[in-house]
Amino acid sequence: GENVEQHPSTLSVQEGDSAVIKCTYSDSASNYFPWYKQELGKGPQLIIDIRSNVGEKKDQRIAVTLNKTAKHFSLHITETQPEDSAVYFCAAPRTGGFKTIFGAGTRLFVKA
Amino acid sequence: NAGVMQNPRHLVRRRGQEARLRCSPMKGHSHVYWYRQLPEEGLKFMVYLQKENIIDESGMPKERFSAEFPKEGPSILRIQQVVRGDSAAYFCASSWDQGEEKLFFGSGTQLSVL
Repeated sequence: GENVEQHPSTLSVQEGDSAVIKCTYSDSASNYFPWYKQELGKGPQLIIDIRSNVGEKKDQRIAVTLNKTAKHFSLHITETQPEDSAVYFCAAPRTGGFKTIFGAGTRLFVKA
Repeated sequence: NAGVMQNPRHLVRRRGQEARLRCSPMKGHSHVYWYRQLPEEGLKFMVYLQKENIIDESGMPKERFSAEFPKEGPSILRIQQVVRGDSAAYFCASSWDQGEEKLFFGSGTQLSVL
């Protein structure tokens, strides 16, 4: 079945530095790759996504890159701020959209 | 327009009692997904429902757990005879269409079993 691996599990950066979180997936038929941010006490919220016909997508300080050959995609956060501190999840919906498989999550700490 | 609404936010039950978790999807959404999250862990898929139909329950334990999404009213996740291991955060998500991969999550129900 589909498997999504996410690294690192914890990431600590200084405010203003960049943060990179990586995920690999197993289902070569996957064609949609979202990233979710979960703040304490809240549900995950979609922050950016990419489809397989695109190699990179950017939205202000966040960007996602996709390497379909290697089956991995990454989240890049530049100029990090304390409010970026949260748990980030990558995901890979199964073909047909019935079930989205989430990575184990990365807890990001941005130190002021 | 409210997003995905889950209630209660916190639910405390003693072992052996029943827990009922409710989820109202976003307006216009007819697809509901339930996920379970243990402390310091990721989101584990439980069940996917459309109105009056269970589409995929491959992540749901075979015993004590059930889910429904009636024609009228919220989706319900029911856990009978709860045990301590059921303590977790349960999240509901909704989407507009079966082929729509974007999920909109509620704030979750934190279930604590004493």
